[in-house]
Amino acid sequence: GAGVSQTPSNKVTEKGKYVELRCDPISGHTALYWYRQSLGQGPEFLIYFQGTGAADDSGLPNDRFFAVRPEGSVSTLKIQRTERGDSAVYLCASSTGTSGSHNEQFFGPGTRLTVL
Amino acid sequence: LAKTTQPISMDSYEGQEVNITCSHNNIATNDYITWYQQFPSQGPRFIIQGYKTKVTNEVASLFIPADRKSSTLSLPRVSLSDTAVYYCLVGDSGSARQLTFGSGTQLTVLP
Repeated sequence: GAGVSQTPSNKVTEKGKYVELRCDPISGHTALYWYRQSLGQGPEFLIYFQGTGAADDSGLPNDRFFAVRPEGSVSTLKIQRTERGDSAVYLCASSTGTSGSHNEQFFGPGTRLTVL
Repeated sequence: LAKTTQPISMDSYEGQEVNITCSHNNIATNDYITWYQQFPSQGPRFIIQGYKTKVTNEVASLFIPADRKSSTLSLPRVSLSDTAVYYCLVGDSGSARQLTFGSGTQLTVLP
């Protein structure tokens, strides 16, 4: 079946601009995660959704970052007033959301964000 | 948070068995141990998960001693295509916040 998809695959923007990154999880997966990965580092947790609600947004670095999942499926990560330090690969993952499955995540290919 | 420590890099040759050890001294009772593999320009891919003793699947084995303060991922007869970064994660189902990847181990398989 189809895996997790993310669009766009690459996004180049200018400092101060607003960007939206989209994630389509695996159909039927109730849990959705966003991570940020900088070069040479492991993925850094940003936010976790269970259904439509943000169950844990403690990884969001500041109030310029926001994510939504209005219908419990597709999610959008929104970054306001982008800064050069926001440049990274943004990864989305989904899982079945059942007990014990936090660690069994299926990742998308990521969106490479470059802020000039 | 249960912190994990892995070697930064390892080299091996095709056909050899590779063992990557991860230390997690402050693992909690409810924590599972999970390993992911990541190729360049791709998202991580789940390899194996365990709680104690030994777990084996079609691609790897995971050895966890009784005290659970470490774990070893074993890859039998590696090939060039196993060159990747391998991450050890420790966490439970109660909090996604505890899913910390760390820097991983860069495995390079040589011909």
